[in-house]
Amino acid sequence: QVQLQESGPGLLKPSQTLSLTCTVSGDSITSGNYYWSWIRQPAGKGLECIGRIYPGESPKYNPSLGSRVSISVDTSKNQFFLKLTSVTAADAAVYYCARARGEWERLGAFDVWGQGTTVTVS
Amino acid sequence: DIQMTQSPSSLSVSVGDRVTITCRTSQTISSHLNWYRQKPGKAPQLLVYSASILQSGVPSRFSGSKSGTDFTLTISSVQPEDFATYYCQQSYSIPWTFGQGTKVE
Repeated sequence: QVQLQESGPGLLKPSQTLSLTCTVSGDSITSGNYYWSWIRQPAGKGLECIGRIYPGESPKYNPSLGSRVSISVDTSKNQFFLKLTSVTAADAAVYYCARARGEWERLGAFDVWGQGTTVTVS
Repeated sequence: DIQMTQSPSSLSVSVGDRVTITCRTSQTISSHLNWYRQKPGKAPQLLVYSASILQSGVPSRFSGSKSGTDFTLTISSVQPEDFATYYCQQSYSIPWTFGQGTKVE
């Protein structure tokens, strides 16, 4: 079965760049019809979609993050990545990578999630 | 962005109770509405997709329905593992957005 695992620094200073990696195991990142996504959740709060990427296509981002965010993929390593520049305390959260279905009848349903990684900005 | 209004924000129930959670969207989203359960310290788990289709492996006590821009998640008989927070999510337009959550305690 497909599994996702986030990795990256857990502590950042304000103005630094957050860089996270999601490693996909159990299947190729290019097989099937899936969007590979990043979602975050501040402590005690709700979920926010950051963006998604479909291999071979341009990524889509949440406009609320402006030009600070970028998502990329390395199909040879079966990984995708999140970069968020100029972080502030408001970016502190648990960051999840997740797989979203791409077929119309299930479009956007996140059916596989990583365990999440906590990012602190201080 | 499509706004999601989820209600109630919390509810207190007992094992065996029937629970209904509602999500109202600010515009029509066809049936692109998904429901998740999140246990403390864990990632969310997909329960229902496309408004009413049960995800594989999810118990049949969960069901979803749609009426216009109102979507409902029903738990027919709450079990101990169902005490958690539930989220709706629209996947009709970018950015995909979640409701504020409903804590079942």
